[in-house]
Amino acid sequence: AQSVTQPDIHITVSEGASLELRCNYSYGATPYLFWYVQSPGQGLQLLLKYFSGDTLVQGIKGFEAEFKRSQSSFNLRKPSVHWSDAAEYFCAVEEYGNKLVFGAGTILRVKS
Amino acid sequence: DVKVTQSSRYLVKRTGEKVFLECVQDMDHENMFWYRQDPGLGLRLIYFSYDVKMKEKGDIPEGYSVSREKKERFSLILESASTNQTSMYLCASSSSGEAFFGQGTRLTVV
Repeated sequence: AQSVTQPDIHITVSEGASLELRCNYSYGATPYLFWYVQSPGQGLQLLLKYFSGDTLVQGIKGFEAEFKRSQSSFNLRKPSVHWSDAAEYFCAVEEYGNKLVFGAGTILRVKS
Repeated sequence: DVKVTQSSRYLVKRTGEKVFLECVQDMDHENMFWYRQDPGLGLRLIYFSYDVKMKEKGDIPEGYSVSREKKERFSLILESASTNQTSMYLCASSSSGEAFFGQGTRLTVV
């Protein structure tokens, strides 16, 4: 079965600093990979997705992620974090039939 | 604007009650899902459905059932609620590799 690991449960960054959230997956074939964000009390919103092609994927809100097959990673990055980015972030891999397998999530705190 | 609507944001139910969580999508998606979200565990798949009247178990189906009588509606049923089913429940629908989520129902079983 596929699995997703997000090694960091909590991350705190200063406003304006750069951000990288880590994600590692296990999947036999070429994976479909996603990053979702969840603000407090809200559902999940898609930030970006990777299906194939260019390994650097651009998403909404200034986020990007890089797919590295050799490392089985799909890390999320942002050059300059804003206070409104404070939320929980989930990495996911798609199984057959559009089912998503999620990581445990990383809670991002932004300090001013 | 695409929408997945869950009927309740918050619910409080008593142990042993039969509980219905309703989800409606307006995107004509064939795939619908119910996830449970708990701190430190991420989202875990309870049940999913590829079509009307079709359902398949996910990773944690015990204590739950589902119903899909119409394409747009997918219901999660807790046959006899227990305190360990206190959680956030998220419904999603998907097509072509992108899933859309409802805002979630926070269920407390007392």
